[in-house]
Amino acid sequence: SAVISQKPSRDICQRGTSLTIQCQVDSQVTMMFWYRQQPGQSLTLIATANQGSEATYESGFVIDKFPISRPNLTFSTLTVSNMSPEDSSIYLCSVDSYKGTYTDTQYFGPGTRLTVL
Amino acid sequence: GNSVTQMEGPVTLSEEAFLTINCTYTATGYPSLFWYVQYPGEGLQLLLKATKADDKGSNKGFEATYRKETTSFHLEKGSVQVSDSAVYFCALSPPSGNTPLVFGKGTRLSVIA
Repeated sequence: SAVISQKPSRDICQRGTSLTIQCQVDSQVTMMFWYRQQPGQSLTLIATANQGSEATYESGFVIDKFPISRPNLTFSTLTVSNMSPEDSSIYLCSVDSYKGTYTDTQYFGPGTRLTVL
Repeated sequence: GNSVTQMEGPVTLSEEAFLTINCTYTATGYPSLFWYVQYPGEGLQLLLKATKADDKGSNKGFEATYRKETTSFHLEKGSVQVSDSAVYFCALSPPSGNTPLVFGKGTRLSVIA
């Protein structure tokens, strides 16, 4: 299965600042997904990132707030911009392929635990 | 549309008790079904999956059977341990493929010694 790492694992940030979260996969993947998990809640999909094209955002999420980069087939970043305490969540990236082959199983990174003061 | 409904938590059990966490789904066609587990302070790990009707997924003593007739995928374990304390998420992968998972709201399990 895919091995996914995220940086940072956790951070405490001040209101109004921005944080960029990195996601690295050990093999080339077509699509990468970014999720948010608010405290005590389930996962909500923020956007889907394909290499070489603009990310596709879900309802309620916009590029100005959550810009995403996908410079190559093994890496993506999610930026949480102009943060407020409501952005305090765990942010997770995931993939649904391994070594270029689609799988019907999504694999998740360990998550980035963000606290905004 | 596609959706997953799982039983509300929290669930508190004594060690060695029997566990059932109910999960039902709504989907067009035949999705793949999953249980993910999230241990305290960690990300999501795949616990088990089933890709077609009557398949049984199993791992670490947990089992779930894909029941098409009842559109269910209930998670069971015969004897829980304290180390099973976690949040469990039921999810489906739409049959169209290449689309993200649809998650249930999660069920928190606490096992006490």
